Amino acid sequence: DTGVSQDPRHKITKRGQNVTFRCDPISEHNRLYWYRQTLGQGPEFLTYFQNEAQLEKSRLLSDRFSAERPKGSFSTLEIQRTEQGDSAMYLCASSPGTGSEKLFFGSGTQLSVL
Amino acid sequence: QQQVKQSPQSLIVQKGGISIINCAYENTAFDYFPWYQQFPGKGPALLIAIRPDVSEKKEGRFTISFNKSAKQFSLHIMDSQPGDSATYFCAASLNTDKLIFGTGTRLQVFP
Repeated sequence: DTGVSQDPRHKITKRGQNVTFRCDPISEHNRLYWYRQTLGQGPEFLTYFQNEAQLEKSRLLSDRFSAERPKGSFSTLEIQRTEQGDSAMYLCASSPGTGSEKLFFGSGTQLSVL
Repeated sequence: QQQVKQSPQSLIVQKGGISIINCAYENTAFDYFPWYQQFPGKGPALLIAIRPDVSEKKEGRFTISFNKSAKQFSLHIMDSQPGDSATYFCAASLNTDKLIFGTGTRLQVFP
C-alpha cells in the first residue's frame, strides 16, 4: 500500500491520559498536514510541515497538542492530558510539492476519550 | 473571512439524476478550490479542483462551475450513481497553503 498510513486506526483512552498517533506519508512527499474532523463537520486544519519544519499551527491547537516530523518522513501527533472534547477523527495528509494541491489523506485515527 | 459555507447539508437524488452542491467563500484572495469525496471510515479523497482563472472544469461526470464575482462555486454530478453516495466537501486555500473545508454534504443516490 503506497498511500498515507495512520496508526492506530482507533484509540480509546481515559480522560487525563496522553496519546500519540503516527502518520507515514506517501514516500517523498514534502508536505504533511494534520487535520481534525468531528462528526458531521469538515476537517479542521491543525498544523503542517514542509519536510521537517513545522510551518504553521492553528489556534485550535492548544499547548496540550504537539506534533513532530523529525527526519522529514513520518510524523507524530501527541495529545497530553486528554479531554472529552478531544474525541474526534485525526487525519493526516501529504502532498508532493510545497502546497495543498494533490493532497492525499490517510484513513485517520478515531480517538474516543472516556 | 476564512469560512467556506456549503449547502445543502444533505441531498437525495434518484439514479441518473444531477446532484448539485454549492459553496460560497468570503476571502477573495483564495486561489485554489478543490472538492473532496469521503466514504464512511475513510479519509477524504480529491475529486476535482479549479483555479479562479477559469469558470468551469469537467472531469468525466463531475463538473465544477466557478463564479468569481459572486464568490461561489458548485459541484455538479451528472448521471448520479448509487456508488456516488458519500459525503462531499468543498474547500479553499490561499497560495495552495492549508485547505479550509466546508461543512459537508451527505449525498444519497437511490436506484
